[in-house]
Amino acid sequence: EVQLVESGGGLVQPGGSLRLSCAASGFTFSNYWMHWVRQAPGKGLVWVSRISSDGSSTSYVDSVKGRFTISRDNAKNTLYLQMNSLRAEDTAVYYCVRDLWNYYYFDYWGQGTLVTVSS
Amino acid sequence: QSVLTQPPSVSAAPGQKVTISCSGSSSNIGNNYVSWYQQLPGTAPKLLIYDNNKRPSGIPDRFSGSKSGTSATLGITGLQTGDEADYYCGTWDSSLTAGGVFGTGTKVTVL
Repeated sequence: EVQLVESGGGLVQPGGSLRLSCAASGFTFSNYWMHWVRQAPGKGLVWVSRISSDGSSTSYVDSVKGRFTISRDNAKNTLYLQMNSLRAEDTAVYYCVRDLWNYYYFDYWGQGTLVTVSS
Repeated sequence: QSVLTQPPSVSAAPGQKVTISCSGSSSNIGNNYVSWYQQLPGTAPKLLIYDNNKRPSGIPDRFSGSKSGTSATLGITGLQTGDEADYYCGTWDSSLTAGGVFGTGTKVTVL
């Protein structure tokens, strides 16, 4: 059974940093692109970042470029999102998501971890 | 940040049909495949449709997808109370800021 379990969310002050982790199991992690998608309270889905299966290629939504870094450790079956210079507008539930065919088809989602940026 | 436009809400009685539109442009829907997601209250989204019209294993054929030009449509027939949820379209945008994009979301209400 495919499982994606996020951790690392919490309350952080504006300008602070946080690192999210996503432990993957039930599939060959190193074969799949992975993504982070976020959802602000009461709002819609926003794609945040993507990393290729071997970690050599990444992309980001404009609003987080230069502040967030996506990475992965295929030996540990773990995806990461390092978030720096956090802003109030980064407050959201962050989902770890698997890409079905490396074509932005999000076939498995974690339960999400809440990040709250507030003083 | 949503570049794909959906109606905020649609509604119908049980057993009826609803359609949800998703409007984009040549840099996204016009030249890429579309997927659709269902988000039940308090849960993570679930993939309903990929490749414009394909259903993953376990998704009933009451759900269907289509695409024409720069727009896509999700159809739900035989509406059930359990279908009450938010629905999102998604695709890849090949503009300068290439990346994933989602629709604005549509709330389906079963009357």
